[in-house]
Amino acid sequence: DAGVIQSPRHEVTEMGQEVTLRCKPISGHDYLFWYRQTMMRGLELLIYFNNNVPIDDSGMPEDRFSAKMPNASFSTLKIQPSEPRDSAVYFCASRPSGLGSSGYTFGSGTRLTVV
Amino acid sequence: QQQVKQSPQSLIVQKGGISIINCAYENTAFDYFPWYQQFPGKGPALLIAIRPDVSEKKEGRFTISFNKSAKQFSLHIMDSQPGDSATYFCAASMRPAGTYKYIFGTGTRLKVLA
Repeated sequence: DAGVIQSPRHEVTEMGQEVTLRCKPISGHDYLFWYRQTMMRGLELLIYFNNNVPIDDSGMPEDRFSAKMPNASFSTLKIQPSEPRDSAVYFCASRPSGLGSSGYTFGSGTRLTVV
Repeated sequence: QQQVKQSPQSLIVQKGGISIINCAYENTAFDYFPWYQQFPGKGPALLIAIRPDVSEKKEGRFTISFNKSAKQFSLHIMDSQPGDSATYFCAASMRPAGTYKYIFGTGTRLKVLA
């Protein structure tokens, strides 16, 4: 298995531009999570999906952020318009359901820089 | 109540020494406590995890000690090696209504000196 795949690895964009981050979860994992990592705030959960349905988006910082999961193998996190304070590493993670499962598998992240 | 407090923020240990990282929580509904290891430029990776029905779990050089009454848990790395130099995150989760949302600690940057 290739693991959780995120693209792009690095993104540099100008303030005000739209940014789309992409994630392919591990096949068979029915939970998908988007996290943001910064030095100041650590790992923050933005939103998570179960069976492609958004369950909890209380961590999405504001309306400029949106996330979709059109099918079991693909999710996007969109920021429109982007601002310099959105600069961070964005991680996608997936996991299977079930009490015996061993937790999240994270992707390698997308480092976003908004200038 | 949703926070997980982690300490220290950074840690320097000599090769062969013991690294100890501590976490504390408030919400007694938490029932799964994983530790994640993150190398620069990589995503966090599950290292070891414990449920509150046991007080200790050991996997190789890594041990989680869990104190349910004190609402604390810690990671011990025995015989620390330079390759263990990474950032370590504790986390906690609960399963009301079948959710698996993790609350992460703020991380500990470990450096093991050769």
